[in-house]
Amino acid sequence: EVVLSQSPGTLSLSPGERASLSCRASQTVDNNYLAWYQQKPGQAPRLLIYGASTRATGIPDRFSGSGSGTDFTLTISRLEPEDFAVYYCQQYGSSLYSFGQGTKLEMK
Amino acid sequence: EVQLVQSGAEVKKPGESLKISCQTSGYTFTTYYIAWVRQVPGKGLEWVGIIYPGDSDIRYSPSFQGQVTISADKSIGTAYLHWSSLRASDTAMYYCARPLYYYDSSAYSFAFWGQGTLVTVSS
Repeated sequence: EVVLSQSPGTLSLSPGERASLSCRASQTVDNNYLAWYQQKPGQAPRLLIYGASTRATGIPDRFSGSGSGTDFTLTISRLEPEDFAVYYCQQYGSSLYSFGQGTKLEMK
Repeated sequence: EVQLVQSGAEVKKPGESLKISCQTSGYTFTTYYIAWVRQVPGKGLEWVGIIYPGDSDIRYSPSFQGQVTISADKSIGTAYLHWSSLRASDTAMYYCARPLYYYDSSAYSFAFWGQGTLVTVSS
């Protein structure tokens, strides 16, 4: 079973700044089947990125995903007020899925 | 329009059984996997398991294997999550979710989500 570790646990930034969120896997993620989600309080998660770097439908281009193998990054180029939320990575491999523990992006 | 509509909140006692549902519409039910995801209040997302209604292929997270049962009714486009004997530790929000497409890398992530079913288990 692949374990995903996200860092930092909490990231405090201001609107307009750049955010970099890390997701590290305990073993290679098959075919870079790595996704990122955003979740706001009281809402279901929202898919941002799949296949490590492909933006989902309707996701603004300030969100980008990169990485391969065991190290992946979600970058938000210029933070908007609505971007402050919790972010999760998720992987698929060996017929199983798993999520990281999440990074809370909070407004400084 | 793809929609996943889940059954309402439940309050149960330890030891009771429960089946929650995820009713789908707007697409061919047998063509896409449906996953279940747990979120304990204030905590992160956990993958519970997944079903392919087309052939009833079912896989469980090792953490949930033997604790829950996933099923689907193709005739009404609905997936289910069932507990035979609930515990207080099952208290959580449960989401069903579907991939964006059934091909390419999007098949291994979840673009469509139900609104969640809150399950509370308390004596």
